[in-house]
Amino acid sequence: EVQLVESGGGLVRPGGPLRLSCAASGFTFNNYAMNWVRQAPGKGLQWVSSIGSISQYIYYADSVKDRFIVSRDNAKNSLYLQMNGLRVEDTAIYYCARGFYFDLWGQGTLVTVSP
Amino acid sequence: EIVLTQSPGTLSLSPGEGATLSCRASQSISSNLLAWYQQKPGQAPRLLIAGASSRATGIPDRFSGSGSGTDFTLTISRLEPEDFAVYYCQQYTGSPPLTFGGGTKVEIK
Repeated sequence: EVQLVESGGGLVRPGGPLRLSCAASGFTFNNYAMNWVRQAPGKGLQWVSSIGSISQYIYYADSVKDRFIVSRDNAKNSLYLQMNGLRVEDTAIYYCARGFYFDLWGQGTLVTVSP
Repeated sequence: EIVLTQSPGTLSLSPGEGATLSCRASQSISSNLLAWYQQKPGQAPRLLIAGASSRATGIPDRFSGSGSGTDFTLTISRLEPEDFAVYYCQQYTGSPPLTFGGGTKVEIK
C-alpha cells in the first residue's frame, strides 16, 4: 500500500526539542522530493520545509528557519524533522507530503507546545 | 513571496448545486504550477488538481480547475454530500516559500 506514516509528536515545553519521523512505503522513496506541512488548531495549511529527492536542496519557512532541520534517509525510506527551540505557536498537526505538488499525505502527528 | 487569496471564505450551497471557488495570486504563477486540495474534518488534505487543470488520480470529473497567471478557479459541477469540505489552493513554483491560500469552506445550506 502506498502510504506515509508520521510519528514522534507529543507534548513538549517551550524551548524543548522534538523529532518527527515519516515512514514511506509502497513507492520508490528516493524518486520524490518530500515536504513537511503543518496546521495549527482550527487554522489553515502552512508549508514548513522541503527536501529534494537526494537532499540536493533544502528549504524552510522563515518561521522555522534556524530552529528546524529536515533530513531524509533513503535507505530507510524515511523523512525526519528535528525541531529545536519550540514555541507555543509551533503547536500544530504536522503532515509529511510527497512531491512538488503534494499528491500523497500522511495522517499527521500532533505537536503541542505548552508550559 | 506569492500570496494566495481565496474567495469566498465560505460558500453555502445545497447538494446538486454548482460551486465556483476562486484563488488569486499576488504575482503571476509560472507554468500554472497551482494545485487544489480538499480537506474534511479530522482528515489530511487530498490532492484534487495539479498544474491548474489536471485532475489527480481517482478524482471525479465533476471537479475541474482552470485559470492562468494570477487568477485560478476550482469548479464543482454538482455538489455531492461528500464534497462539503474546506478547499485550499497552493502554488509550487519551486521558489520558497511554497504558499497556500487561506481556504474556502463549502458548507451545506
